[in-house]
Amino acid sequence: SQQGEEDPQALSIQEGENATMNCSYKTSINNLQWYRQNSGRGLVHLILIRSNEREKHSGRLRVTLDTSKKSSSLLITASRAADTASYFCAEEEAGSYQLTFGKGTKLSVIP
Amino acid sequence: DADVTQTPRNRITKTGKRIMLECSQTKGHDRMYWYRQDPGLGLRLIYYSFDVKDINKGEISDGYSVSRQAQAKFSLSLESAIPNQTALYFCATSQGNEQFFGPGTRLTVL
Repeated sequence: SQQGEEDPQALSIQEGENATMNCSYKTSINNLQWYRQNSGRGLVHLILIRSNEREKHSGRLRVTLDTSKKSSSLLITASRAADTASYFCAEEEAGSYQLTFGKGTKLSVIP
Repeated sequence: DADVTQTPRNRITKTGKRIMLECSQTKGHDRMYWYRQDPGLGLRLIYYSFDVKDINKGEISDGYSVSRQAQAKFSLSLESAIPNQTALYFCATSQGNEQFFGPGTRLTVL
């Protein structure tokens, strides 16, 4: 399988602004997940959106999914310096429990 | 205590050496995974196991082997390490759709 692509590769914003990251994927999916990674550490699951869902919210996170375009976006509202991290989308292909990760967006939130 | 642990956390080895990375979990999950992460390439799946008797190759299994010693333990071996296996290695577990990651092993092959 091929990795999906995230856009942008890097994003720098001021604290309090919103951050939007986009992800394109390759396969027919069960779900699409977003993970966060602080520098050099293990990934932490943020949110999952199923293939029959179009939008999902969790706290300051909003995820959308467009299966016709094979794309997803992650919006972080009212960003904080502690949101500084790399963010990865991961597609779970239909019929599998395997994840294919994108290359990530590195977010820097400036206090 | 962490739910998913990896040992060692850092390792420097020489070309041609055999090395084993270990992963243990206390989450009681059946599924376990090994990934490697290279700068700018995200995570790529090396091997995965859905139970003790089930081992499957991932996207980049060449040069690696694994052993699932018990439900809680999944080890990754590099039979003869080479410099392009220098990377950050992660173990993960799952029972549902979400995966839970260990802290990673930073491996350097000289």
